[in-house]
Amino acid sequence: DSGVTQTPKHLITATGQRVTLRCSPRSGDLSVYWYQQSLDQGLQFLIQYYNGEERAKGNILERFSAQQFPDLHSELNLSSLELGDSALYFCASSVETPGNTIYFGEGSWLTVV
Amino acid sequence: GENVEQHPSTLSVQEGDSAVIKCTYSDSASNYFPWYKQELGKGPQLIIDIRSNVGEKKDQRIAVTLNKTAKHFSLHITETQPEDSAVYFCAASKPSRNALNFGKGTSLLVTP
Repeated sequence: DSGVTQTPKHLITATGQRVTLRCSPRSGDLSVYWYQQSLDQGLQFLIQYYNGEERAKGNILERFSAQQFPDLHSELNLSSLELGDSALYFCASSVETPGNTIYFGEGSWLTVV
Repeated sequence: GENVEQHPSTLSVQEGDSAVIKCTYSDSASNYFPWYKQELGKGPQLIIDIRSNVGEKKDQRIAVTLNKTAKHFSLHITETQPEDSAVYFCAASKPSRNALNFGKGTSLLVTP
């Protein structure tokens, strides 16, 4: 158990809908990362937050947004969902310093039908 | 941005043999290179990492080597066991940015 908690574990929704994925980082970790894993694209970095502020942005679509709350949990919002958004979404956390170990949660499996 | 290439994409070895997975990176500023193991239905789990001031690191049956000049690093698993079967990912990050850039993964199958 990495200590990173993600909910829900599985989610099925229709195209055009909006969903929210939730993440609680490991105790003491200030940085939260979101990654998308699909069969053809591997693990793609979406966005990073540190202590409530956006720190780095990767290949995140404009239809997706995220935030980190004062209690350090984070949410990833996916809107106007398309079939191609079906993927495993991972949250990860780390201590702030670059080069520190990043711990991954078990993922949220999103299926868009 | 950083580009991490990983080879091979699949690897099948017999139990007891060694397995080697290789990665190259494009950004010479990268200084942190972790390896993750992902089992079916689970999140990636760190198995070993190396920093740019070190050329080799070992942890029991697992070792990682880094060649900064050539910008490549490798994972070596000796005396493989069936429970080593999983997808392995290499990654790289640089000091200005902690987020990892991952290779596309290697599916390792260890047959008894």
